[in-house]
Amino acid sequence: SQELEQSPQSLIVQEGKNLTINCTSSKTLYGLYWYKQKYGEGLIFLMMLQKGGEEKSHEKITAKLDEKKQQSSLHITASQPSHAGIYLCGADKGSGNTPLVFGKGTRLSVIA
Amino acid sequence: EAGVAQSPRYKIIEKRQSVAFWCNPISGHATLYWYQQILGQGPKLLIQFQNNGVVDDSQLPKDRFSAERLKGVDSTLKIQPAKLEDSAVYLCASSLEVFPGELFFGEGSRLTVL
Repeated sequence: SQELEQSPQSLIVQEGKNLTINCTSSKTLYGLYWYKQKYGEGLIFLMMLQKGGEEKSHEKITAKLDEKKQQSSLHITASQPSHAGIYLCGADKGSGNTPLVFGKGTRLSVIA
Repeated sequence: EAGVAQSPRYKIIEKRQSVAFWCNPISGHATLYWYQQILGQGPKLLIQFQNNGVVDDSQLPKDRFSAERLKGVDSTLKIQPAKLEDSAVYLCASSLEVFPGELFFGEGSRLTVL
């Protein structure tokens, strides 16, 4: 079965600093989804990547899928307290279904 | 547009008791998912419905968990009898399309089994 490893597990950064979260798959990714979760709340969709080498941005968050489609990175520029939360990557099994497998998440704290 | 609604938000029960969670997806979304998220882990799919038919329930512990989606709209997830390890957040999600598509999540139902 497909497994997703996220690193780091947790991250504390000072406000204004840049940071990167990685998501590595044991198998080829057909689709890679990034979500954000705040404590006690549901998951909020950030971005979806499908093509090798693809890069998408939303506000100060940029996500990339590498050429081999087995790793994705999420980069936040000039972090703000509003970026704090748990970032989860989810993988498409490639069988025509939306993501069924999630990583364990990266907990991000942003301190002033 | 109203989001995915779930209830109750919190539930505390003793082991061997039963519990039911309700989900109302976004209007018009044909696909509905129930995920289980144990503290410190990512969500794990329990069951996926397409309209009122089951697409995937391979990870649903069928000896104690059941789910239904009558009339292809709202859904109920039941646990009977509950075990300590069922303590988790139960997330409901819906999507307009099966693939590819953005999943819209509810706020979840947090279950504590004592």
